[in-house]
Amino acid sequence: QVQLQESGPGLVKPSQTLSLTCTVSGGSISSGDYYWSWIRQPPGKGLEWIGYIFYSGSTYYNPSLKSRVTISLDTSKNQFSLKLSSVTAADTAVYYCARGSLRRDGMDVWGQGTTVTVSS
Amino acid sequence: DIQLTQSPSFLSASVGDRVTIACRASQGISSYLAWYQQKPGKAPRLLIYAASTLQSGVPSRFSGSGSGTEFTLTISSLQPEDFATYYCQQLNSYPLTFGGGTKVEIK
Repeated sequence: QVQLQESGPGLVKPSQTLSLTCTVSGGSISSGDYYWSWIRQPPGKGLEWIGYIFYSGSTYYNPSLKSRVTISLDTSKNQFSLKLSSVTAADTAVYYCARGSLRRDGMDVWGQGTTVTVSS
Repeated sequence: DIQLTQSPSFLSASVGDRVTIACRASQGISSYLAWYQQKPGKAPRLLIYAASTLQSGVPSRFSGSGSGTEFTLTISSLQPEDFATYYCQQLNSYPLTFGGGTKVEIK
């Protein structure tokens, strides 16, 4: 079955760029039936959807983060990535990647999550 | 953005209890609503999509209902493994948004 795995630095300095990668296994990221999302969860708080990318490369970002977010795709590696620039302590969170259905059936496959702390 | 308001935010219940969690949308979202369960240190797990369709592998004691702006998640007989935090999510329009969560704890 499809599995997702996040990877990247666990510590980022303020004002720098957070970079994470999600590796998809057991299925192709080029499937036209799904989109690929990033979601985050600050410590002790709820879930915030960051944005998605489709296999074609089209993206949609949460307007609250749009000016700082870039999501990209590497189909040769079956990976998609998140970059979040100019980070502050408020960006400290567990970051999840997830698969969503174009039928709007929810996000049925999630990575285990990776904790990113913004601190000097 | 569509706001989702869950109630209650905290719920204390016993094994075997029937539990209902509400999710209200700030505008109509048809049936584009999903429910997730999250346990500490774990990723969310999809329970229900399209407001009332049970995701494969999810026990039948979970059910969902509603459309438009009012939705509910019901657990017919709470089991020890159901103690967790539950989130609703709307997929009607972007940006996708989540409710604030309902934590279900043991009484």
